[in-house]
Amino acid sequence: KAGVTQTPRYLIKTRGQQVTLSCSPISGHRSVSWYQQTPGQGLQFLFEYFSETQRNKGNFPGRFSGRQFSNSRSEMNVSTLELGDSALYLCASSLTGDNEQFFGPGTRLTVL
Amino acid sequence: AQTVTQSQPEMSVQEAETVTLSCTYDTSESDYYLFWYKQPPSRQMILVIRQEAYKQQNATENRFSVNFQKAAKSFSLKISDSQLGDAAMYFCAYRLRMVDMRFGAGTRLTVKP
Repeated sequence: KAGVTQTPRYLIKTRGQQVTLSCSPISGHRSVSWYQQTPGQGLQFLFEYFSETQRNKGNFPGRFSGRQFSNSRSEMNVSTLELGDSALYLCASSLTGDNEQFFGPGTRLTVL
Repeated sequence: AQTVTQSQPEMSVQEAETVTLSCTYDTSESDYYLFWYKQPPSRQMILVIRQEAYKQQNATENRFSVNFQKAAKSFSLKISDSQLGDAAMYFCAYRLRMVDMRFGAGTRLTVKP
């Protein structure tokens, strides 16, 4: 089985711009979670989608949004980028959402 | 709120030796999952081992084993016969059913040849 894939792997944007990141889960997995990883804050949970519905949401501003499609692929969007949004964004999928997660390689976002 | 604490920011071990990474968590729930993940430098995070709280037997995966003390809310990871490839950040994680996963701050493990 193919693992979790994320595109793009690297992204450079400027403040005020918008960005969309994509995640394809392992085939058959219905839950997709997104995390932001920074040296200072560690791994912070953004949101989780299960069967196209947002099931859980972390403490991030409304500039961070996401969605999941019927094939379980997920996208997250960050609008009005700020310097502090520079981070590694990780996507993880799991079969049902209440067990282990499998991570993708991440998207490294740099905001200038 | 459930929190996960890894009190050792950095650990070092000699190749072929054994090392134990500590993790404690705070919860009032009785049914949950615990995990250890490994993140090598600039590489993908991978699952090392998982433990269901209702199981009393400690999980093992080859050279990796855990010491799960439910009453003490402790979940340590033991790596036996350490190898150079074990060098990585190790994250302890806690998950309730249908709720988001909570991670500790991580422990950076260095393996000395």
